[in-house]
Amino acid sequence: GAVVSQHPSWVICKSGTSVKIECRSLDFQATTMFWYRQFPKQSLMLMATSNEGSKATYEQGVEKDKFLINHASLTLSTLTVTSAHPEDSSFYICSARDLEGYSTDTQYFGPGTRLTVL
Amino acid sequence: RKEVEQDPGPFNVPEGATVAFNCTYSNSASQSFFWYRQDCRKEPKLLMSVYSSGNEDGRFTAQLNRASQYISLLIRDSKLSDSATYLCVVNFYNQGGKLIFGQGTELSVKP
Repeated sequence: GAVVSQHPSWVICKSGTSVKIECRSLDFQATTMFWYRQFPKQSLMLMATSNEGSKATYEQGVEKDKFLINHASLTLSTLTVTSAHPEDSSFYICSARDLEGYSTDTQYFGPGTRLTVL
Repeated sequence: RKEVEQDPGPFNVPEGATVAFNCTYSNSASQSFFWYRQDCRKEPKLLMSVYSSGNEDGRFTAQLNRASQYISLLIRDSKLSDSATYLCVVNFYNQGGKLIFGQGTELSVKP
């Protein structure tokens, strides 16, 4: 149990296009999902916290108009990288916190999406 | 100062060696601590949680020193398959339960 999927697993796009990444909790409900970004040889950096039915909370330095987050249901959050540029090329990983595990810290990670912007 | 700091390594050790990783955190309000393992180009996977009394899982032992704000991971009898990056992770309860990741320590176990 506790499986999180991401789609697509990798994407290559031209500069200026928008890319949508989906994060799904397959066998549990998640009120909270987290979006991370990881550049080569660096650790995961939290970009934003996505809450079902409300606006996402963005970390300092992350542009909310560039990285659009929608958490429309308890099993799906999407991250849209708008007008992507080469510097947005990175490994994007989501995690989901089990609804029943709210009082605990358990987060389940998706397999990540590797974005390359040409 | 970074919220979670680790020695980036890399640690190059022979099979069978014992290796220890250290981690310090800055927020004394932190409540939960973890070690994750990340293989190249993969997502991080939970290795073990770290409890105040310390805990052991097979060849892996984690220790927590709240007074010094220090966490450690000991790997005994290293295997080739232990080669990965080990991430020290702290849950900051006073920041909405966010997980803060250290930069990771790279381990390479050689035959």
